[in-house]
Parts: sequence; C-alpha cells; structure tokens
Amino acid sequence: SQKIEQNSEALNIQEGKTATLTCNYTNYSPAYLQWYRQDPGRGPVFLLLIRENEKEKRKERLKVTFDTTLKQSLFHITASQPADSATYLCALPGLTGTASKLTFGTGTRLQVTL
Amino acid sequence: GAVVSQHPSWVICKSGTSVKIECRSLDFQATTMFWYRQFPKQSLMLMATSNEGSKATYEQGVEKDKFLINHASLTLSTLTVTSAHPEDSSFYICSARPPGYSPLHFGNGTRLTVT
Repeated sequence: SQKIEQNSEALNIQEGKTATLTCNYTNYSPAYLQWYRQDPGRGPVFLLLIRENEKEKRKERLKVTFDTTLKQSLFHITASQPADSATYLCALPGLTGTASKLTFGTGTRLQVTL
Repeated sequence: GAVVSQHPSWVICKSGTSVKIECRSLDFQATTMFWYRQFPKQSLMLMATSNEGSKATYEQGVEKDKFLINHASLTLSTLTVTSAHPEDSSFYICSARPPGYSPLHFGNGTRLTVT
C-alpha cells in the first residue's frame, strides 16, 4: 500500500547546526512533494515545493532534495535558530485519488536549543 | 498573500449538541476547500472536499451525515459536527488553494472539545 513516513521521534539540535529531516514514501510516484511547518495549535504553513524533475530547491536557509529513485526527500535547515522549533510535515498529492488532494506525513518535531 | 480564516479557534460543547465551524478565504475565491482533522501527535487526515455549489466529497470512513459541509459561496465553507460525541474532540483545519498553481493555504484550526 502507499504510505508516507517521517521520523516520529523529535529531533533535537543545537542552535547554529544544520537540521535534516527525512520523508520517505512507498509504492507511489508523485509529481511533486511539499514541505509545511506547523506550530502547536496552528494550521500548517507552506514552505517549499519540489517537482519530480528537480533534484534540489532552496529558499533562504531551507533546502529540499528529492530523490525519486530512493523515494525520499530531505529537508535541511542551515544555521538553525530556536525560532525554527516546530513540527515539519511533508505532503504528497494524489495518494487519495486526485492530484488536488494532499496526503500528509505524521511530521517530525524539531527542537532547536541554545 | 492568500489568507484563510477559520472561526472559532476553539469551542467546547456538550455531548449531543451540534457545532458549526466556518472557513473563509479572505482575499481570493475558492471553488474548492478541504477539511482536515488532526488528533494529538498524529498527522492531518483529509475528511472531505468542499465544492462550491455542489455536494461535498467525503473520504472513506467519514460519515457525511455527521459532518455536514456547506459551501454556499466562493469564499465560505462550513463544517457542522452534528450530535457531537467526546470522540469527535479533535483539531479541525480547513484549507484552500488560490487560483493558479499555488500551494494550499490553511486556516489556524478549530480545537473542538466535547464534554
């Protein structure tokens, strides 16, 4: 069956280091993949979208890679700050039948400490 | 930027009563809106797709008679949880996509607690 997997354990890193989060998917070939940030008690906020023909996408301190062979996306935050502490979700289209619907991973909680 | 507003942000109701949650797109028209539900430490689960001027499309396992969706205008969708039970307590989030190629924009969610 098709599914999305993110490391459910929290990732704790020190301020200034690079945080790397992983999103794996199985039995599926998405046309693109998205990353969202969710703070406690709030709705997700879109961060980046990467298409299947793109290897890497950057936005300020954020970098996303997309390996369609490994069926994996990596999300990097460089020079991390305590304000980056949040849950990060990856999302793929079409798992529920239509491309307009997004299916989300369980998310990985990032905690950046001083 | 595109803004999706959700109201109320939290609500407490008694078992057996109904609760209505509103989702508005403030600066764009949305023919389609999506309703998600999120339990603690779990991911967002798509409940239904709200279609302006027509019936909503529900995901498998979601009771359409319990979760009534109305999308009466291009900027407003409502979700009514009917005859609420404690197990309906959850975080409900709506989303919409502005016209053109654009990611989903989410409301800030509604925390529903049924006592």
